[in-house]
Amino acid sequence: EAGVVQSPRYKIIEKKQPVAFWCNPISGHNTLYWYRQNLGQGPELLIRYENEEAVDDSQLPKDRFSAERLKGVDSTLKIQPAELGDSAVYLCASSSSDLQETQYFGPGTRLLVL
Amino acid sequence: QKEVEQNSGPLSVPEGAIASLNCTYSDRGSQSFFWYRQYSGKSPELIMFIYSNGDKEDGRFTAQLNKASQYVSLLIRDSQPSDSATYLCAVTSSASKIIFGSGTRLSIRP
Repeated sequence: EAGVVQSPRYKIIEKKQPVAFWCNPISGHNTLYWYRQNLGQGPELLIRYENEEAVDDSQLPKDRFSAERLKGVDSTLKIQPAELGDSAVYLCASSSSDLQETQYFGPGTRLLVL
Repeated sequence: QKEVEQNSGPLSVPEGAIASLNCTYSDRGSQSFFWYRQYSGKSPELIMFIYSNGDKEDGRFTAQLNKASQYVSLLIRDSQPSDSATYLCAVTSSASKIIFGSGTRLSIRP
């Protein structure tokens, strides 16, 4: 069974540029999470989807961040415009409805904003 | 006060000894408790979860939960160099939010 797939793995951009991250969860997992992890910190939840519905986006900085999961499968997280402080690892995770609290993480996208 | 607190370490333990990792949480209504292992440059992977007070054992790992003291711990018996990693404690709060601690760096010295 394939794991959670994320792309790109690395991204370097200049501040004020837009950037997008893509995630494909484990097949059959209807819950998808986006996290941000800063160096030396634990992951911080940005948004959680149940199928195509965003059920928790309270931590998403909505002035510059947006996310979508149109068909309830893969998802895109966008930042526009990026700021220096957005440099971090962006992790996607998924879980199934019958074991929702067991999350499987993707490899992450390491973002560097210059 | 942070919602989930862990000592950042590093915690240095000799090979073969027991490593003890601790975590405290602030939300008394928290329901579920998790331990993740994260190797440097890698993503977190779930080691164990525990819901009820007491101990839960899985191989060399034992999770301990004390809801009255708002305390959860992870014991690693017969520590191996491959156990060297950062261990993240995560808690599902009463609002069903998943909150991670900052992690404890564990180093197993041969």
